[in-house]
Amino acid sequence: ILNVEQSPQSLHVQEGDSTNFTCSFPSSNFYALHWYRWETAKSPEALFVMTLNGDEKKKGRISATLNTKEGYSYLYIKGSQPEDSATYLCAFGTKGAQKLVFGQGTRLTINP
Amino acid sequence: DAGITQSPRHKVTETGTPVTLRCHQTENHRYMYWYRQDPGHGLRLIHYSYGVKDTDKGEVSDGYSVSRSKTEDFLLTLESATSSQTSVYFCAISEGTGGRPHYGYTFGSGTRLTVV
Repeated sequence: ILNVEQSPQSLHVQEGDSTNFTCSFPSSNFYALHWYRWETAKSPEALFVMTLNGDEKKKGRISATLNTKEGYSYLYIKGSQPEDSATYLCAFGTKGAQKLVFGQGTRLTINP
Repeated sequence: DAGITQSPRHKVTETGTPVTLRCHQTENHRYMYWYRQDPGHGLRLIHYSYGVKDTDKGEVSDGYSVSRSKTEDFLLTLESATSSQTSVYFCAISEGTGGRPHYGYTFGSGTRLTVV
């Protein structure tokens, strides 16, 4: 059974501060690592899909890195804003798999 | 979300009745998924489809069945609804390549189902 762990489970950050959180996944048979942003009462939206070791993706103030050899990915948010408050999900895909395995998510709250 | 719609958006039903939720896509994507969202559990996969008439079970498939008779529609049926099936149900689609959905999923807006 594949296990995808996200830490921390929840996080409170002051507006303007930068933050980061972790997604851990099995390092064997890796194919893809996804990050999703999920705002309350909405549906998850894809942020990044990463497939190569050492990949770094960026979208505005949000960026992500990938280490497939050790099985982790970091999501960074620079200069947090209230609109960044959401649950951030990561999901892992193995070679040949037809579905992703999702982590439980990190719930981020930005305090004004 | 654009290209994927779920219906109904909200439903209240009685214990023991069958319920069908519909996911409709206009993207012609091969893969379609049904998830349920419950506090403390994140997203859990119920069933998924990798083509017309091709479906498989996810981690929480008991009490649910699915059908996909055409590319654009993926139906989830609760055969005899129970209170434990009260949840928010999300459909997702993925383009996929070579059997590997390494493109991001697109999620529907969700169906809030209450079983009383």
